Amino acid sequence: QVQLVESGGGLVKAGRSLRLSCAASGFTFNQYYMSWVRQAPGKGLEWVSYISGSGRNTNYADSVRGRFIVSRDNAKNSLFLEMNSLRDEDTAVYYCARESAAGTAEIDSWGQGTLVTVS
Amino acid sequence: IQMTQSPSSLSASVGDRVSFTCRASQNIDNYLNWYQQKPGKAPNLLIYHASNLQGGVPPRFSGSGSGTDFTLTISSLQPEDFATYYCQQSYNTPRSFGQGTKVEIK
Repeated sequence: QVQLVESGGGLVKAGRSLRLSCAASGFTFNQYYMSWVRQAPGKGLEWVSYISGSGRNTNYADSVRGRFIVSRDNAKNSLFLEMNSLRDEDTAVYYCARESAAGTAEIDSWGQGTLVTVS
Repeated sequence: IQMTQSPSSLSASVGDRVSFTCRASQNIDNYLNWYQQKPGKAPNLLIYHASNLQGGVPPRFSGSGSGTDFTLTISSLQPEDFATYYCQQSYNTPRSFGQGTKVEIK
């Protein structure tokens, strides 16, 4: 079955960088758009970024554009989020997520999340 | 695209029929998805493309609407349905979520 396992979260000082990883299994990774979605403590869901199956197409929320970079290694079935110039408001649980390949682009699988705390 | 859910919370009893809405700031055709999230857990897809039930989701959940106005209905609320529900548009990028509707026990 589909498994998405995030890692790399932790406590980081404002202005510093952090790299999140997501290990995917149970599906043909390079055929799927992959996304990052975050949730600040006690708040709602916020879409952060996505990347196409080939890695050629990326997109970002305005709140992170220019600071975060999404990438993937299809040979290793891995998704990454490089977070730079971190701010207090980036504190959140970050979920790795898979978009459906059916063309309707719903998120049909989620990881368990990794907590990033910026102080 | 801004997504607005209403109400932000509601209280209901087991067995009640409940509905809540999601409005998009512009036309999104049927590219509207509904997720359920329980505390401390990742969201779970319920409905995709406005009215399609995700595999494994009980048929008491249903979705309707198109264009800008959408509704999620739970026909008979069960104890496990007390959670927060989010809509999300997948019409274009950036993808956007509504702020959520929290369903609480009356």
